[in-house]
Amino acid sequence: DAGVTQSPTHLIKTRGQQVTLRCSPKSGHDTVSWYQQALGQGPQFIFQYYEEEERQRGNFPDRFSGHQFPNYSSELNVNALLLGDSALYLCASSLIGDGPGEQYFGPGTRLTVT
Amino acid sequence: GIQVEQSPPDLILQEGANSTLRCNFSDSVNNLQWFHQNPWGQLINLFYIPSGTKQNGRLSATTVATERYSLLYISSSQTTDSGVYFCAVEDPRANAGKSTFGDGTTLTVKP
Repeated sequence: DAGVTQSPTHLIKTRGQQVTLRCSPKSGHDTVSWYQQALGQGPQFIFQYYEEEERQRGNFPDRFSGHQFPNYSSELNVNALLLGDSALYLCASSLIGDGPGEQYFGPGTRLTVT
Repeated sequence: GIQVEQSPPDLILQEGANSTLRCNFSDSVNNLQWFHQNPWGQLINLFYIPSGTKQNGRLSATTVATERYSLLYISSSQTTDSGVYFCAVEDPRANAGKSTFGDGTTLTVKP
């Protein structure tokens, strides 16, 4: 049973550039949530995708956008990168079904903006 | 939104010692999970425990939802237990799958 996978593992970008991160959910899951984790802090919720639509969003600017594909995989796009966007980006998958359920996290993508 | 506080922020133990990590949350929750983050950043599921008590080997957890706290117990700690432990909760007023994390407890187990 494949767990949550993310790519790439590491990424270095320059201020002002754009980046795309990818996530494949755990087999059988239908929902993908993205989190940003700055050094020394807990993960912060960015947004969630379900049925190919953004279902809910945290307190992040519009520079952060995403997409979910018919196979439930998802992308996170960040435009006009800032130094402060340097962080570990985590993807979590879950089966929403009738209500809350256990979330499983991928290994993360470490983004460095220079 | 819900506030999550974890204590202590840092904990240093000798191998073999026991420890208790605490998670307080400010309002009722739909879901509570404990995670262990390894040095490479991977969040490993420990417990899905919105209420009650669960045990898994040397680890156990208890959530008292009515009093808005959860405890994670680690017995006979090993050096491999080192890392950051996070508590994450879901607000019933939000859609499922949006978790709020505490700032974590950093555990260091010395040989």
